[in-house]
Amino acid sequence: GAGVSQSPSNKVTEKGKDVELRCDPISGHTALYWYRQRLGQGLEFLIYFQGNSAPDKSGLPSDRFSAERTGESVSTLTIQRTQQEDSAVYLCASSLDSSEMRQYFGPGTRLTVL
Amino acid sequence: KNQVEQSPQSLIILEGKNCTLQCNYTVSPFSNLRWYKQDTGRGPVSLTIMTFSENTKSNGRYTATLDADTKQSSLHITASQLSDSASYICVVSSGGGADGLTFGKGTHLIIQP
Repeated sequence: GAGVSQSPSNKVTEKGKDVELRCDPISGHTALYWYRQRLGQGLEFLIYFQGNSAPDKSGLPSDRFSAERTGESVSTLTIQRTQQEDSAVYLCASSLDSSEMRQYFGPGTRLTVL
Repeated sequence: KNQVEQSPQSLIILEGKNCTLQCNYTVSPFSNLRWYKQDTGRGPVSLTIMTFSENTKSNGRYTATLDADTKQSSLHITASQLSDSASYICVVSSGGGADGLTFGKGTHLIIQP
């Protein structure tokens, strides 16, 4: 079966532009997570979706970041007015539900803001 | 503040040798500890997950240990192979959603032929 997929794999944008990153979780996984991984840094939690519950946005670094999820499928992470410090790999992961310990990660989207 | 410290930051060993990576944590409450392998340019892949009651778990040539009293974990790699070259990330969960996860910065392992 297919794993978690993300698109695009690489994105180069100019400072001030908006970007949208997409995540397709594993079918049937109700929990979906977004993380950011800056060069040389550990993973940072951004946002978490569980079924139809309100998302946990506690990790979003600023109001320029937002995410949506359609039901229990695709999720989109949007970064408005990108800044150079937004440059990072953005990783998406899914799991069967919030109590399932094993998360399956996508390959990530490498975002470069010039 | 919950923290996960990994050591060494980087490690280079010869193919066929064994190595041990360390993870010390100050996370409370504790639910479980996970080790991930992340190949360059790829997402992390789960190696082991251990709860409080488990003190060792193996996955092929990877063996993780957990001492919940001293809040230490190790990942031992036996008979290393070139494909083991990767970053190894220790993650400690306090339970609940993703905001209960504390990530280490990883150990970058290079296996030389």
